[in-house]
Amino acid sequence: EPEVTQTPSHQVTQMGQEVILRCVPISNHLYFYWYRQILGQKVEFLVSFYNNEISEKSEIFDDQFSVERPDGSNFTLKIRSTKLEDSAMYFCASNRGRSYNSPLHFGNGTRLTVT
Amino acid sequence: DQQVKQNSPSLSVQEGRISILNCDYTNSMFDYFLWYKKYPAEGPTFLISISSIKDKNEDGRFTVFLNKSAKHLSLHIVPSQPGDSAVYFCAASAGGGNKLTFGTGTQLKVEL
Repeated sequence: EPEVTQTPSHQVTQMGQEVILRCVPISNHLYFYWYRQILGQKVEFLVSFYNNEISEKSEIFDDQFSVERPDGSNFTLKIRSTKLEDSAMYFCASNRGRSYNSPLHFGNGTRLTVT
Repeated sequence: DQQVKQNSPSLSVQEGRISILNCDYTNSMFDYFLWYKKYPAEGPTFLISISSIKDKNEDGRFTVFLNKSAKHLSLHIVPSQPGDSAVYFCAASAGGGNKLTFGTGTQLKVEL
């Protein structure tokens, strides 16, 4: 069964540094997402992306965050100047269309640790 | 933000018995509900879903029940198996959208 793949599995960075988290969504999927889970807390929506633009974003997704689909297969999340509170598990997800007919498929996540 | 709540952080069940996981929501705009299962070091995996026009959906050992008037849904697993031991998340969306609001999860342990 096709999978959403994320790299790296674990990223350690210093506060103030930029990080790029990478994802390869399932190939015939059209909608792409980033979610995050801070340790001990809920999985939270960050952003959705469709047709090469952001379709929805949460209040968490401020100016330090950006997303990009640089080619036909990758989907990236960039955090420009990381803060300690950005430490979390970041999950990429994708689906074909509306959630009624196409549940989100999640990758295994990237654990980001900001020191 | 407590729009989706799972009040039981953990549940322990014997193998072969029924597991019942509960979820409550407050947002009346939610019209689609999903259950995801998560093993350590993996992402959430879709299990089963239900639209607000239904009150029950069944898939093999998994059944989801929706009580709209009570804003409550539950996941039944019968019979429970040791491989079902995982964290179970309830999630909801509104208006056919793809933004999911998750609960905090329930850790299910199925014992031999």
